[in-house]
Amino acid sequence: NAGVTQTPKFQVLKTGQSMTLQCAQDMNHEYMSWYRQDPGMGLRLIHYSVGAGITDQGEVPNGYNVSRSTTEDFPLRLLSAAPSQTSVYFCASRRGTFSETQYFGPGTRLLVL
Amino acid sequence: DAKTTQPTSMDCAEGRAANLPCNHSTISGNEYVYWYRQIHSQGPQYIIHGLKNNETNEMASLIITEDRKSSTLILPHATLRDTAVYYCIVMDGTSYGKLTFGQGTILTVHP
Repeated sequence: NAGVTQTPKFQVLKTGQSMTLQCAQDMNHEYMSWYRQDPGMGLRLIHYSVGAGITDQGEVPNGYNVSRSTTEDFPLRLLSAAPSQTSVYFCASRRGTFSETQYFGPGTRLLVL
Repeated sequence: DAKTTQPTSMDCAEGRAANLPCNHSTISGNEYVYWYRQIHSQGPQYIIHGLKNNETNEMASLIITEDRKSSTLILPHATLRDTAVYYCIVMDGTSYGKLTFGQGTILTVHP
């Protein structure tokens, strides 16, 4: 198993550009989520999904969209990038909704100029 | 979900036990205590979790006080590779795994 994979590893955007951060998992996990981590801070939840076709907002959802058309993929879309969205983005997945280990991807480093 | 309080940083000598405390005085009866760590810019890694009883796995031990208001993560023989930020998180079964990460404890293991 590859586990949780994320692409790209690094990205530089200009203010106002849009892009999609890709996340995929091959463990048949129902639950997937996106976090962002700013320098010296803990992780903050952006959006999450408890299964294909079901998504919900986390702590900091503004400026981001998600969709979950398959169990394996959970892309994160930045609609109009802003410098405040410069961060490291982590995708995670877990098998169920309770008492299950959450597996994190390697992260995507995003710089918005 | 309950809030947690952890020391900002701790040091430990290589080969010695590292004991990382966490306060969660507002924890409710159905909330679990989870520990994750993050090694220099990598994705967080699950360590251990528990509800009431002490737990042990190949990585660490988790000691939860009887009133469940605090817990301690024990790395029995710390190595340099255990240098990381350690996060104590409280979560219940209805939160769909919405881990809320605080600042965590920076553990530095010295030779």
